[in-house]
Amino acid sequence: SQQGEEDPQALSIQEGENATMNCSYKTSINNLQWYRQNSGRGLVHLILIRSNEREKHSGRLRVTLDTSKKSSSLLITASRAADTASYFCATPTGRNTGFQKLVFGTGTRLLVSP
Amino acid sequence: DGGITQSPKYLFRKEGQNVTLSCEQNLNHDAMYWYRQDPGQGLRLIYYSQIVNDFQKGDIAEGYSVSREKKESFPLTVTSAQKNPTAFYLCASSLQGTALFLPQHFGDGTRLSIL
Repeated sequence: SQQGEEDPQALSIQEGENATMNCSYKTSINNLQWYRQNSGRGLVHLILIRSNEREKHSGRLRVTLDTSKKSSSLLITASRAADTASYFCATPTGRNTGFQKLVFGTGTRLLVSP
Repeated sequence: DGGITQSPKYLFRKEGQNVTLSCEQNLNHDAMYWYRQDPGQGLRLIYYSQIVNDFQKGDIAEGYSVSREKKESFPLTVTSAQKNPTAFYLCASSLQGTALFLPQHFGDGTRLSIL
């Protein structure tokens, strides 16, 4: 079963606008990760936020985590056409010990038009 | 540069045929994974391996087999028992499978289709 569910499923914006996508998950986690996938390519890790962090930045990316609501958001500021991709959240299913399997959501498809 | 190499990029399977997808990494990672991706769905875990000579079934292992004879290699065989093999297959690795805060690194995938 899916652990993470992204919202919206698809998002279309103009260059320079901000893009926000959300992820909800079901069980308690120790971290949440965001990945990007360009069409026909593999996934690229963007950012990891730990359960004791509320916000994290990396360049034009801003990730928030609300463990009380079991949700996270990814904000891409000043978007560019090159940001066009699918974005996935992923959460580990393992407990604090043992093998950590990642469970991926269904993704948000972002289209940034010039 | 270190990374994960998957080959071939495109693969066609005939009915009743087994096919093997290659995955090689030079990142010196212990853990390796195989995922299946279908349109509109997230990634589903097929098999994973924590160390050499060890592997475990994931969520959708039926119709697939793997081996891990070398640290850098984790080939996936799609057998004739897999009745719906058309999908995009992704291989990934991480430094350790049991570490809490490590990302996974992905190859560029193999697209498998039925002839």
